[in-house]
Amino acid sequence: AQKVTQAQTEISVVEKEDVTLDCVYETRDTTYYLFWYKQPPSGELVFLIRRNSFDEQNEISGRYSWNFQKSTSSFNFTITASQVVDSAVYFCALSEAVSAGGTSYGKLTFGQGTILTVHP
Amino acid sequence: DVKVTQSSRYLVKRTGEKVFLECVQDMDHENMFWYRQDPGLGLRLIYFSYDVKMKEKGDIPEGYSVSREKKERFSLILESASTNQTSMYLCASSLGSADRVFSYNSPLHFGNGTRLTVT
Repeated sequence: AQKVTQAQTEISVVEKEDVTLDCVYETRDTTYYLFWYKQPPSGELVFLIRRNSFDEQNEISGRYSWNFQKSTSSFNFTITASQVVDSAVYFCALSEAVSAGGTSYGKLTFGQGTILTVHP
Repeated sequence: DVKVTQSSRYLVKRTGEKVFLECVQDMDHENMFWYRQDPGLGLRLIYFSYDVKMKEKGDIPEGYSVSREKKERFSLILESASTNQTSMYLCASSLGSADRVFSYNSPLHFGNGTRLTVT
């Protein structure tokens, strides 16, 4: 069975600090996708990034960067120079393809979430 | 942009009541999902639907049922609400495809959630 572990329940930082959110996953699939979602206080989960299992190249998007290491089954997320607006719950998720009724869908297994609070 | 709308932001119901949570999406997505979110447990899949009138059980379907009479609308039903169903409920949608690779890298688009309290 697939499993995603976000060991950090809560992280508190001061604005402008860098912060890394850890994500470790377990799967027997050779092809899979990993996602990060952000849930601000408004409640709506917002898609941040998707990574497939064959692409271990790190990605940077502005202040956000992601480090995917297949050897350690980790997909960590770093926010550089954090801001108050980064305060949210962040979820890591692992996708497996499931077939049903002639089509397929991505079934996401989510981690427990990390609550990030950035203080001014 | 995809818009997923959940009819209620907050609901308070009594034990034993039948509860309907409604979700509508405006992007013609084939797949729709209901999750519940609880502290320390992340999001857990209750049910999903890949087509009108089609449904599949997720990881925690007990105590719930769903209805999808129209493509854009997916309803979650608590037949007889209990206190352990107090939770945040999130609806999501995604593109469906017979292409296996495409389908499972298609990101989910979520609504704002319904916080249900059963007393």
